[in-house]
Amino acid sequence: GAVVSQHPSRVICKSGTSVKIECRSLDFQATTMFWYRQFPKQSLMLMATSNEGSKATYEQGVEKDKFLINHASLTLSTLTVTSAHPEDSSFYICSAREVGGSSPLHFGNGTRLTVT
Amino acid sequence: GQNIDQPTEMTATEGAIVQINCTYQTSGFNGLFWYQQHAGEAPTFLSYNVLDGLEEKGRFSSFLSRSKGYSYLLLKELQMKDSASYLCAVRDGDYKLSFGAGTTVTVRA
Repeated sequence: GAVVSQHPSRVICKSGTSVKIECRSLDFQATTMFWYRQFPKQSLMLMATSNEGSKATYEQGVEKDKFLINHASLTLSTLTVTSAHPEDSSFYICSAREVGGSSPLHFGNGTRLTVT
Repeated sequence: GQNIDQPTEMTATEGAIVQINCTYQTSGFNGLFWYQQHAGEAPTFLSYNVLDGLEEKGRFSSFLSRSKGYSYLLLKELQMKDSASYLCAVRDGDYKLSFGAGTTVTVRA
């Protein structure tokens, strides 16, 4: 079945540093990738939609200069949390949609970010 | 925008049946999904409805009524491993998924 690989699974960083999270579709081409954030005991909140070769579309309230998204190929999207602060600590999850597919989104295993 | 409501918590006994309801009000509709999420893990796909009616997959079934903006997930023959959060999600025409807050199901022996 379709697999989405997300790396790293856990990261701890100091306040003010930047962290890059990778999301790869391993056996299919993903025309669109989505980035979600989930705080403890809350649901997934869509942050942005990433389309290969074009600028990401951010949801209302999400700072595009803080959460940089690059979708350089049909199998890779990256999310960079710039100048991270403790309030950015969260569970970040990517998902991918297959080219031409109407199938359910495939989710990565998530990245637990802790900013100290 | 999307407004998706589901109960916060449900408790049931091993071997029993539990029904998780989900109501939604959306600006566009292109399918309703149910996901299971264990603590600290990513969601895993359970079921998908785009037309009215019941979809059955083993112990799990999902129902959709588009006119009522209503869906339910039915879990039969509950097992301890079914203790998890169950997320109702609605997809719009741009393939964006909006999630409900999730229903935490606790299965007791």
